[in-house]
Amino acid sequence: DSGVTQTPKHLITATGQRVTLRCSPRSGDLSVYWYQQSLDQGLQFLIHYYNGEERAKGNILERFSAQQFPDLHSELNLSSLELGDSALYFCASSVAPGGGSEAFFGQGTRLTVV
Amino acid sequence: DQQVKQNSPSLSVQEGRISILNCDYTNSMFDYFLWYKKYPAEGPTFLISISSIKDKNEDGRFTVFLNKSAKHLSLHIVPSQPGDSAVYFCAAPGGWSQGNLIFGKGTKLSVKP
Repeated sequence: DSGVTQTPKHLITATGQRVTLRCSPRSGDLSVYWYQQSLDQGLQFLIHYYNGEERAKGNILERFSAQQFPDLHSELNLSSLELGDSALYFCASSVAPGGGSEAFFGQGTRLTVV
Repeated sequence: DQQVKQNSPSLSVQEGRISILNCDYTNSMFDYFLWYKKYPAEGPTFLISISSIKDKNEDGRFTVFLNKSAKHLSLHIVPSQPGDSAVYFCAAPGGWSQGNLIFGKGTKLSVKP
């Protein structure tokens, strides 16, 4: 158990819909990262929050947004969903905002868009 | 442009033998590298890392070698065990202040009894 909790584990929704994925980081970790893993792809970095503030953006679509709340949990919002958004979405947390600290991953949310 | 590449999607080895997983990178500014292991239905878990000032780091059965001139690193598992069967990802930092990681596509290792 990494200490990072993601809900829900599975999500099936229709095209055009909007979903929210939730992540609770390890106790004491201030950084939260979101990654997307599509079929046959490595993990693609989406966005990084540190102590409530956006720190870095990766390959995140404009239809996607995220936030980190005062209690440090984070939510990833995916809207106007398309079939190609079907993927595993991972959240990871770490103590520091950068410089090499190890990241701990949740079990992921498997999103299926039909 | 992939900055971290794992060109072998899969590898099969016999139990007790050595497993060698390879990773190439293009950015000479990377100052450390990490390997993560992922079982089905689980998130990736950190396995071992290496700083760019070293050429080898060992942790039990796992050793990572770094060849900076070739921009190549490899993970050696000796001896391989069936429980090592998983997908292995090579990763490098996205930037000094960013903290995110750039991952390769992974290599699926199967260790046969």
